[in-house]
Amino acid sequence: DVNLVESGGGLVQPGGSLRLSCGGSGFTFSTYEMNWVRQPPGKGLEWVSYISTSGDTVYYSDSVKGRFTISRDNARNSLYLQMNSLRADDTAVYYCARGRGSTTIWGQGTMVTVSS
Amino acid sequence: DIVMTQSPDSLAVSLGERATINCKSSQSVLGSSNSNNYLAWYQQKPGQPPKLLIYWASSRKSGVPDRFSGSGSGADFSLTISSLQAEDVAVYYCQQYYSIPWTFGQGTKVEIK
Repeated sequence: DVNLVESGGGLVQPGGSLRLSCGGSGFTFSTYEMNWVRQPPGKGLEWVSYISTSGDTVYYSDSVKGRFTISRDNARNSLYLQMNSLRADDTAVYYCARGRGSTTIWGQGTMVTVSS
Repeated sequence: DIVMTQSPDSLAVSLGERATINCKSSQSVLGSSNSNNYLAWYQQKPGQPPKLLIYWASSRKSGVPDRFSGSGSGADFSLTISSLQAEDVAVYYCQQYYSIPWTFGQGTKVEIK
């Protein structure tokens, strides 16, 4: 079964940091481009970041640029999102999603809450 | 950024009837090199992640029931559910992947009348 599992979410204070992880299984992780997409509670979807198969090309939304860093470890079949300088409006379910553009496989998501 | 606008925000349709959701982009998402429209449709049920239904505006993902169809080109697109089933109750999103940042519509909630 093709599967993506996120972890690392939780409650963090404004200005704090958090590192999300996403593990892939059931497919050759290193051959797929990956993304992070988030969804604030009760709201719509927002693409956050993209990384190429090798990791040498990355993109970010303006809302996270300079604060978040996407990376991957193909040997560990893992995707990461380092989130710094967190703000209340970063509160959301964070999904990892496979593909470039149209994303075919999504994880179940991990909740990040930024609050004092 | 390309702004995606869906209409309506919600709709209620009787079982077995047709449901149509519209999506308009603020600029064309038609690729000049391959003549593909960089437009996808997703379905999201409560408590679940989104699920890809349609890509390239009209290509149905494997395993998606054929009552779901996508149409349109350039900047105007539609998702049609030809005969609404109870399991189709969900929020539907369009998304452009023509240019970074990839952007989603605000979502359309489909309910049973």
